[in-house]
Amino acid sequence: DAEITQSPRHKITETGRQVTLACHQTWNHNNMFWYRQDLGHGLRLIHYSYGVHDTNKGEVSDGYSVSRSNTEDLPLTLESAASSQTSVYFCASSVQGSYNEQFFGPGTRLTVL
Amino acid sequence: ELKVEQNPLFLSMQEGKNYTIYCNYSTTSDRLYWYRQDPGKSLESLFVLLSNGAVKQEGRLMASLDTKARLSTLHITAAVHDLSATYFCAVVLTGNQFYFGTGTSLTVIP
Repeated sequence: DAEITQSPRHKITETGRQVTLACHQTWNHNNMFWYRQDLGHGLRLIHYSYGVHDTNKGEVSDGYSVSRSNTEDLPLTLESAASSQTSVYFCASSVQGSYNEQFFGPGTRLTVL
Repeated sequence: ELKVEQNPLFLSMQEGKNYTIYCNYSTTSDRLYWYRQDPGKSLESLFVLLSNGAVKQEGRLMASLDTKARLSTLHITAAVHDLSATYFCAVVLTGNQFYFGTGTSLTVIP
């Protein structure tokens, strides 16, 4: 069955370290998204991609980067982790086109000490 | 900037009771999703509402959309414990940008 996976599921790191969160989907979806979830804010869009080599900034992109070298993967990198980036991170994907349902991964809980 | 407000943020209700969750948004959109999230889990799509006046029902949940009022509602009928979860609305603007509400944490008490 097609799915979307994230790794690691839990991560503890220190301030200033570079961290990369992985997202892999086997749906063959063109669109992929990264969100962070914080209490009182719902989910907020960090970065998104509509295809290979395409990346775009979302609402809260400062301090994060992504790259898309194939259809299946969209890794999220925190260049220099800050305590404000402690959050739960969700990856999602959807088929090409507008307004389509997004399917979410299981999430990664990141703690920055 | 699009704002999506849900209320209430927290809802505790007894089994068998009815209640409505509201989702207000600040700009024009013709498509809205409702998602459910169980504690510690991912998000699961419940409904997609595609146009003004759209109504969808699944079991004890019914969602509706009024694009003129920029309002969607999620109505719970005769709540049961299994409905305890956090519910999010997500407004879709041009393309694929989803703007999520803050979520409503629902607890159904026996």
